[in-house]
Amino acid sequence: EPEVTQTPSHQVTQMGQEVILRCVPISNHLYFYWYRQILGQKVEFLVSFYNNEISEKSEIFDDQFSVERPDGSNFTLKIRSTKLEDSAMYFCASTRWAKGLNEKLFFGSGTQLSVL
Amino acid sequence: AQKITQTQPGMFVQEKEAVTLDCTYDTSDPSYGLFWYKQPSSGEMIFLIYQGSYDQQNATEGRYSLNFQKARKSANLVISASQLGDSAMYFCAMREDPYSNTGKLIFGQGTTLQVKP
Repeated sequence: EPEVTQTPSHQVTQMGQEVILRCVPISNHLYFYWYRQILGQKVEFLVSFYNNEISEKSEIFDDQFSVERPDGSNFTLKIRSTKLEDSAMYFCASTRWAKGLNEKLFFGSGTQLSVL
Repeated sequence: AQKITQTQPGMFVQEKEAVTLDCTYDTSDPSYGLFWYKQPSSGEMIFLIYQGSYDQQNATEGRYSLNFQKARKSANLVISASQLGDSAMYFCAMREDPYSNTGKLIFGQGTTLQVKP
């Protein structure tokens, strides 16, 4: 079965540094997402992306965050200046079609980000 | 207000027994979809089962079934004949607004299930 791939699986960075988390969604999917999960807690929506633009973002997704689909296959999340509270598991997800109700999201295995 | 509430932070079940994980939701939209995902200790999110708000029958997928009570706004996951590999965190999630360009899922807090041998 096709899958969403994320790299790296672990990222350690110093507070204030920029990080880029990378994702390769499933090839025929059109809608892309980033979610985060602070250790042992709920999975929180960050942003959705369709047709090369953000379709929705949460309150968490402030000016420090940005997303990009630079080349038609990769989907990246950039955190400009990391804070300690950005430490979390970041999940990329994709789906073929967002209109309708029953299209499940396919998730990657996540990138564990640790900010020191 | 929480859109999805999972009131059981942790559950234990004996191997081979059935277990019910609770999920209640809050929406004023008549059209919505409910999903359950499993997250084992390795961290990935695995889709288990889906129930649409207009579906007449409760969804079933192998050992997973959904006890959907629309008037009570609950969508409890039932796992029959528990196996050791079922030990994981389980998330209930909802999608509203079938016409939106977002399609995002909103997740509950999760329930950690431990299956005892």
